[in-house]
Amino acid sequence: GIQVEQSPPDLILQEGANSTLRCNFSDSVNNLQWFHQNPWGQLINLFYIPSGTKQNGRLSATTVATERYSLLYISSSQTTDSGVYFCAVETSGSRLTFGEGTQLTVNP
Amino acid sequence: EAGVTQSPTHLIKTRGQQATLRCSPISGHTSVYWYQQALGLGLQFLLWYDEGEERNRGNFPPRFSGRQFPNYSSELNVNALELEDSALYLCASSTGQGIGEQFFGPGTRLTVL
Repeated sequence: GIQVEQSPPDLILQEGANSTLRCNFSDSVNNLQWFHQNPWGQLINLFYIPSGTKQNGRLSATTVATERYSLLYISSSQTTDSGVYFCAVETSGSRLTFGEGTQLTVNP
Repeated sequence: EAGVTQSPTHLIKTRGQQATLRCSPISGHTSVYWYQQALGLGLQFLLWYDEGEERNRGNFPPRFSGRQFPNYSSELNVNALELEDSALYLCASSTGQGIGEQFFGPGTRLTVL
């Protein structure tokens, strides 16, 4: 099956810093989503981005499907950005395959 | 617009018992998905239902089963519970035929003692 690798696994930042999270996938995908998992476990949708670039406030994402990677940019990070960020890709059968996640800690 | 809802929030069972988890999709969504997030195993796809039928199944034993009702809500049943079934179970929904962005509910945390 498809492999999804996220890097880095852990990231510690000071408030106000910028960061880039990466997601590599091993095969063609129909779709790609980025999520933020809050402390209570719920997955919050950030981007639905099979290709191209999207922006939402301080967050933006770029997917280069032909090169099988996606990037999530967080600018001017805040303590509330802390948590686990997941990349998930959809292949056949509409199932999402998730990466292992990036644990982000933003210190005040 | 209400999001995906799940019940109960927490569920505690003992080994060998059965657990039933429930999910209501976003209004207008007909596809419902179940995922398991167990410690150390990441998020894994369990089941996909669309229009009342099971459309796809992940690599889980048959004691994990479910159904989708005419109103598109869904149940996940786990029979003969084992300790390793302890996990966060997440339900998601999307528009029909499994197409489009998946939106997740808050999850049910199942603990098997």
